[in-house]
Amino acid sequence: EVQLVESGGGLVQPGGSLRLSCAASGFTFSDHYMDWVRQAPGKGLEWVGRTRNKANSYTTEYAASVKGRFTISRDDSKNSVYLQMTSLKTEDTAVYYCARAQGLQVDYWGQGTLVTVSS
Amino acid sequence: DIQMTQSPSSLSAFVGDSVTITCRASQGISNYLAWFQQKPGKAPKSLIYAASSLQSGVPSRFSGSGSGRDFTLTISSLQPEDFATYYCQQYNSYPYTFGQGTKLEIK
Repeated sequence: EVQLVESGGGLVQPGGSLRLSCAASGFTFSDHYMDWVRQAPGKGLEWVGRTRNKANSYTTEYAASVKGRFTISRDDSKNSVYLQMTSLKTEDTAVYYCARAQGLQVDYWGQGTLVTVSS
Repeated sequence: DIQMTQSPSSLSAFVGDSVTITCRASQGISNYLAWFQQKPGKAPKSLIYAASSLQSGVPSRFSGSGSGRDFTLTISSLQPEDFATYYCQQYNSYPYTFGQGTKLEIK
């Protein structure tokens, strides 16, 4: 059974940093691209970014709203993907989901972790 | 960036009805279109990819169609568990983008 479990969310002040983790199980993690998607309170889904697999050099893509502030990385030996967030803004407040991609499209989602940016 | 526009933003229907949600891309995306279902307080669930292919385990009352710019999600014979918010997403080019969502409510 595919499982994705996010952790690391919490309250952080504007300008601060936070690192989210997503632990994967139930599939060959190293084969898959992994995404981060967020959802601000009461709002729709926003794609944050993607890390490709080793075969594609672990390259990454980002939404313009987070490029230069957020970094996605992965550790295939730990079956984990990470979202390092810096220079956080109040508008980054959201539930952050990690998601597995099968090919290019997402097929499984984690349960999400809440990040609140507030003073 | 490619903009995805869903319509309607909300709709209400009876159990047993058939409903259709549309999604329009601001430029052609071939068939790189996915649909997701989200219930309140829950993570999204993947329903359809490649515009018309059902994810494993998704009931056959869900169907998708379209190519290029215009796409539809149809739910036939609505069940109580289908009342949720639905999102389309293009994955033709980065950054991937979602529609604003369509809230399906029970009448």
